[in-house]
Amino acid sequence: AQTVTQSQPEMSVQEAETVTLSCTYDTSESDYYLFWYKQPPSRQMILVIRQEAYKQQNATENRFSVNFQKAAKSFSLKISDSQLGDAAMYFCAPSFGNEKLTFGTGTRLTIIP
Amino acid sequence: DAGVTQSPTHLIKTRGQQVTLRCSPKSGHDTVSWYQQALGQGPQFIFQYYEEEERQRGNFPDRFSGHQFPNYSSELNVNALLLGDSALYLCASSERKLAGGTDTQYFGPGTRLTVL
Repeated sequence: AQTVTQSQPEMSVQEAETVTLSCTYDTSESDYYLFWYKQPPSRQMILVIRQEAYKQQNATENRFSVNFQKAAKSFSLKISDSQLGDAAMYFCAPSFGNEKLTFGTGTRLTIIP
Repeated sequence: DAGVTQSPTHLIKTRGQQVTLRCSPKSGHDTVSWYQQALGQGPQFIFQYYEEEERQRGNFPDRFSGHQFPNYSSELNVNALLLGDSALYLCASSERKLAGGTDTQYFGPGTRLTVL
């Protein structure tokens, strides 16, 4: 079975500081994509960043970057210069076999002004 | 360019009834996936449609069925509603890759279904 674990149910960070959200997964697939989505109180699931498993270089999108360790099956998200608008539920969601998304249980991120 | 749209936004039904949810994919996308998100949990995959056929299905009973139309829009139908079907239903669209599999999935705003 393919599983996704987000071990931090809740995290908080001071505005302008850096925070890292962790995600580990288990799969026998060799070809897959990994995604981080955020879901603010408005419920809209918004893509934050994506990583192709075959790429060794870690993906970055402005203030968001990932630390992808394929052998360890770890995919963490780093948010730099945290802003109030970053407050949301963050989901790690690999796409094993590049088909359906398998979501973790989420990490609720609070930004402290 | 319109993103993924879903209707209705909210829906209240009683046990035993049937419901139909609708989704229009993002322009240029040909694949639609449906997810169920219970309160406080991560979304669970229901099924995926491509070329008007169900391509993959998650661990959901036959009460959950779907359809994809020639314009790529999709419907999710749930029969004999149970209290446990109360959830946020998310639709995601993506583009099929030539090498197989689907590209990045973009989500609609969801339909909140309440079963009384």
